[in-house]
Amino acid sequence: DAKTTQPTSMDCAEGRAANLPCNHSTISGNEYVYWYRQIHSQGPQYIIHGLKNNETNEMASLIITEDRKSSTLILPHATLRDTAVYYCIVRVGGNTPLVFGKGTRLSVIA
Amino acid sequence: EAGVAQSPRYKIIEKRQSVAFWCNPISGHATLYWYQQILGQGPKLLIQFQNNGVVDDSQLPKDRFSAERLKGVDSTLKIQPAKLEDSAVYLCASSSLAGVWGKGGQYFGPGTRLLVL
Repeated sequence: DAKTTQPTSMDCAEGRAANLPCNHSTISGNEYVYWYRQIHSQGPQYIIHGLKNNETNEMASLIITEDRKSSTLILPHATLRDTAVYYCIVRVGGNTPLVFGKGTRLSVIA
Repeated sequence: EAGVAQSPRYKIIEKRQSVAFWCNPISGHATLYWYQQILGQGPKLLIQFQNNGVVDDSQLPKDRFSAERLKGVDSTLKIQPAKLEDSAVYLCASSSLAGVWGKGGQYFGPGTRLLVL
C-alpha cells in the first residue's frame, strides 16, 4: 500500500503557483520523497525527489518539512500543460519499484 | 535519447483469448518493470527484471500472466487466458543503476491499453 496521503483533486489558475501537499507521517530515515506526474494517455514522468533538504529543478520545487512527515510540490507558474495526476511516493531509492497511490488530479484553468 | 517503446498501443480482445505486449527499454538500462494501471488508480507493479533475471514477481498472477526478458533487453508480457478484470493500461518502465540517485528515476513508456470484452 502507498505510504502517502494526497488530496484527490485541486484547481489552479494558469500562471499562478500550484502547491500540491503530501503527507507521509511514517517515512523512514532512509526513504526519499519522489514526485511523478501522469498526463492523460501517457506514462508517469519523473519530476523531482529529495531526502531532507528542499530541492529545485527546472520543473518544480520540493519543500520537505523539518520532521519529514509532509512535503509540498510547487509548480511556480502553472500552465495548461501541467494538468495531470501528480503522485507523491516515498521509497528507499535504488532500483526499488514505485508504489503509487491515487495521486492528486491537478486541473490548471485558463 | 530514445525513450521506452511499447507495442501495441491499443488492444481489444474477448475474454479467454490470449494477448502479448512488447517493451523495448532505454538502451543500457539494466532494470525493467511492468506495471498494471486500472482506470482511476495508480500503477501497480507486476514484475521487475534485473538484466534477464526476475527480482520481484510477487504481484504477478502467475496462473494467467507470464513475462520474460530474454537477453536482458526487450521484454514481453503475456496474458492467457484474459479475464474482464484484466482491462487496464500496461506500462513498461526502465532504469539505470548509474542514474538511480540522479535525475530521471524510472522512465516509463506510453503504455498499452487493453480492453477485454
